[in-house]
Amino acid sequence: DAKTTQPNSMESNEEEPVHLPCNHSTISGTDYIHWYRQLPSQGPEYVIHGLTSNVNNRMASLAIAEDRKSSTLILHRATLRDAAVYYCILRDEDISAGNMLTFGGGTRLMVKP
Amino acid sequence: DAGVIQSPRHEVTEMGQEVTLRCKPISGHDYLFWYRQTMMRGLELLIYFNNNVPIDDSGMPEDRFSAKMPNASFSTLKIQPSEPRDSAVYFCASSPRLAGGLPRPFFGPGTRLTVL
Repeated sequence: DAKTTQPNSMESNEEEPVHLPCNHSTISGTDYIHWYRQLPSQGPEYVIHGLTSNVNNRMASLAIAEDRKSSTLILHRATLRDAAVYYCILRDEDISAGNMLTFGGGTRLMVKP
Repeated sequence: DAGVIQSPRHEVTEMGQEVTLRCKPISGHDYLFWYRQTMMRGLELLIYFNNNVPIDDSGMPEDRFSAKMPNASFSTLKIQPSEPRDSAVYFCASSPRLAGGLPRPFFGPGTRLTVL
C-alpha cells in the first residue's frame, strides 16, 4: 500500500470544527482513502472512506483533493469523546490484490473543554 | 449485537509460559483478523482467516505464534513459549464479506498481555 503522512498530534477546542490532514502523494488510481480512529483503551473503529468525491456520514466528512494527493477528515463539532488517534490508510480495493488494512502512526487528537 | 468478544481482557504471565488468547467474532462475519499493537511498532496484522481458513500469516512473528479457527464462531491465538517482547495489546477483528470490496473490520476491545 502507498504511504500516508499525518501530523503526530493536533489540538482542538470542544464544539469547534477539526480538520485532520493526510498526505498521500504516491496514491495510485485504485487506492481508496480510509479513516479509522482508536479511542483510548479500545480497538480501532471505521470512520469513513472515499475514492475521488467528497464523502459525508454521520461521524465525519472526507474532503479529497482534486489530484488525490491529500485528503482531510473533518469533524464538524469536536466533542470530548472525539479525542482519539486518527489513522489515514490507503488501500487498493482490487480484491485480487488481497490487501488488508495497514495502520501507520496516525494523528493523536486532543480536545480541550 | 455484542460485537467482537475477546478473552481474557488482561493477561499477566511469566516468560516461558504458554498463553492462549480467545476471540468470538460477530455472527455472520466471514473474515477474522488478529492484530498486535505496541508503542514501538504500532498496529500490525498478524494473520487473517476467510471462512475459517488461514489466508495470510506472513505477519506472524515467529514459530512461537500460532492461530486457529476451528469454527465460524471461535478463534485462538497461542504463544508458546512466551517472551517479554510479546507484551502488547492483541486485537481480534471480524468483517462481513462486502459486495465488490475488501473486508472492513470491526475490532474487539483487545487483550493486554504482559509477559514478565
